[in-house]
Amino acid sequence: QKEVEQDPGPLSVPEGAIVSLNCTYSNSAFQYFMWYRQYSRKGPELLMYTYSSGNKEDGRFTAQVDKSSKYISLFIRDSQPSDSATYLCAMIGQGGSEKLVFGKGTKLTVNP
Amino acid sequence: EAQVTQNPRYLITVTGKKLTVTCSQNMNHEYMSWYRQDPGLGLRQIYYSMNVEVTDKGDVPEGYKVSRKEKRNFPLILESPSPNQTSLYFCASSLNRDRGKGYGYTFGSGTRLTVV
Repeated sequence: QKEVEQDPGPLSVPEGAIVSLNCTYSNSAFQYFMWYRQYSRKGPELLMYTYSSGNKEDGRFTAQVDKSSKYISLFIRDSQPSDSATYLCAMIGQGGSEKLVFGKGTKLTVNP
Repeated sequence: EAQVTQNPRYLITVTGKKLTVTCSQNMNHEYMSWYRQDPGLGLRQIYYSMNVEVTDKGDVPEGYKVSRKEKRNFPLILESPSPNQTSLYFCASSLNRDRGKGYGYTFGSGTRLTVV
């Protein structure tokens, strides 16, 4: 079983739709969870950051972490064409030797 | 502007011809890392450095070398490139105090390498 599983899509939605992106993971040591957004021909940029279980909201974006199910989600409300990008989940455990583990990314297209 | 700068952005080379991809950051970050990104495989770590003169292997180090002589620079060296090293490469940096929490990573814009 891979450490982090993410459906690569692609996902195509109309403008204004609610988008749900998900990752599952197997390593219970992961404590910090991130969503990165990567535009074409650009590097990943941190979008949402969450510690342990719970929800975090930032504008149209909501990140959810359910550690009991080893499942994280990113919701995008009122999606816009500018949200078209690849979204990567990432996570890391505690301790100085840990490293970021990334999902493979989901390519999202929001159609006007 | 705080940033990680990679050069070149695009490179086509031939098998066996040594090349260096440069990475420089202006944020005084101790931690720097190289990743490659391939379709269906995602981002995989090649090498990382916790500070000057301290480097270690990531998940896919074969065929690559790195050095960290200065805090701001972390070049990736391919001494004898092969076609299976055709990929999109990213350099990233962060403060060591944030690294273990996955916070504050800044990525460069990427280097698309093609080895023919």
